[in-house]
Amino acid sequence: AQKITQTQPGMFVQEKEAVTLDCTYDTSDPSYGLFWYKQPSSGEMIFLIYQGSYDQQNATEGRYSLNFQKARKSANLVISASQLGDSAMYFCAMSPYSSASKIIFGSGTRLSIRP
Amino acid sequence: NAGVTQTPKFRVLKTGQSMTLLCAQDMNHEYMYWYRQDPGMGLRLIHYSVGEGTTAKGEVPDGYNVSRLKKQNFLLGLESAAPSQTSVYFCASTPGDFGPGTEAFFGQGTRLTVV
Repeated sequence: AQKITQTQPGMFVQEKEAVTLDCTYDTSDPSYGLFWYKQPSSGEMIFLIYQGSYDQQNATEGRYSLNFQKARKSANLVISASQLGDSAMYFCAMSPYSSASKIIFGSGTRLSIRP
Repeated sequence: NAGVTQTPKFRVLKTGQSMTLLCAQDMNHEYMYWYRQDPGMGLRLIHYSVGEGTTAKGEVPDGYNVSRLKKQNFLLGLESAAPSQTSVYFCASTPGDFGPGTEAFFGQGTRLTVV
């Protein structure tokens, strides 16, 4: 069975510092995609970044990067130079290739940025 | 672009009442999903559809039914609402392919309270 684990229910970070949000996953599928979403207090789900299991390089999108360690089955999100607007819930998600119809989510991490 | 639209955005039901949540997408996506979001539990998949006329059970299907008579619409029904179904419901869609650019697009959510 596939599973996503986010062990940090909440985090506080000082503005302008970098922050790492942890995500580990479990799947027997050799091919899969990993995603991170942001959910601000307004409630919408915002896609941040994608990593494919066979990608050789870690994905980056502006201030977001994904620290992908395949052997450890971890896909941590790194936000550089955090901003007040980064305060939100962050969800890690996975879609195994064999059942690309299923996207499963972790329980989320609430990130709060202190001015 | 409208993307994914959910109606209604808010609803209060009495125990035992029925209702239908509508999800509409205008991106010609093959796959559509219904999730529920509860505090500390992330998003849990209720039902999903991999194409017009097809539906399948997700992680928490009990108490819900779905239909996908048209490719662009995915309906979630509660036949006899229970307080345990108080939650925020999200609809999402994906192209159905696998790889970069196949992230899920989400609706704005429906906040349902069953009293």
